[in-house]
Amino acid sequence: RKEVEQDPGPFNVPEGATVAFNCTYSNSASQSFFWYRQDCRKEPKLLMSVYSSGNEDGRFTAQLNRASQYISLLIRDSKLSDSATYLCVVLDSGGYQKVTFGTGTKLQVIP
Amino acid sequence: DAGVIQSPRHEVTEMGQEVTLRCKPISGHDYLFWYRQTMMRGLELLIYFNNNVPIDDSGMPEDRFSAKMPNASFSTLKIQPSEPRDSAVYFCASSLARDTATNEKLFFGSGTQLSVL
Repeated sequence: RKEVEQDPGPFNVPEGATVAFNCTYSNSASQSFFWYRQDCRKEPKLLMSVYSSGNEDGRFTAQLNRASQYISLLIRDSKLSDSATYLCVVLDSGGYQKVTFGTGTKLQVIP
Repeated sequence: DAGVIQSPRHEVTEMGQEVTLRCKPISGHDYLFWYRQTMMRGLELLIYFNNNVPIDDSGMPEDRFSAKMPNASFSTLKIQPSEPRDSAVYFCASSLARDTATNEKLFFGSGTQLSVL
């Protein structure tokens, strides 16, 4: 089983739609979780951290379910500019950090 | 701050040649990571350093790959000899760990697109 798994998509959604991605992780001791966004031919950039209580940043909501070992990203009112690949990131700690990326979920928002 | 700087931006070489990729992390960051990204495998961690010391190189595919960090402001990833299957985008990233339990943000360089013919 991969350490971090994501549905590769692509998710093709119309503008204004709500879309959700899930990501599962295998290490129950993982401590920190993030969503990164990567545009085509660009480097990944941090979108948002994922907190245990869930957190929201504008149209984006991230949630963590430790019992089932998954995190989710919800995008409301999708914009064309949201088209990108969304990478789930899991951080293990214990003296030194190890950061593991999922393979990403591709989102295409259609006019 | 200029961010993480990688060079070259693109590298085209022939099989068997030595390839050296370079990275300058953000000043003050104490972690440096080398990643490889392909369509098939996504982003793979190759190696990471803490305070210039290699911590985990288990992701380095084989002995043809080596990485060094001679000082806090410079790291290299070397492939010798290169093979066509090494073709990928290689990213360097750095971060500042405020403590040993959290690492809030990875800053990536623009990557090196490597093509081995």
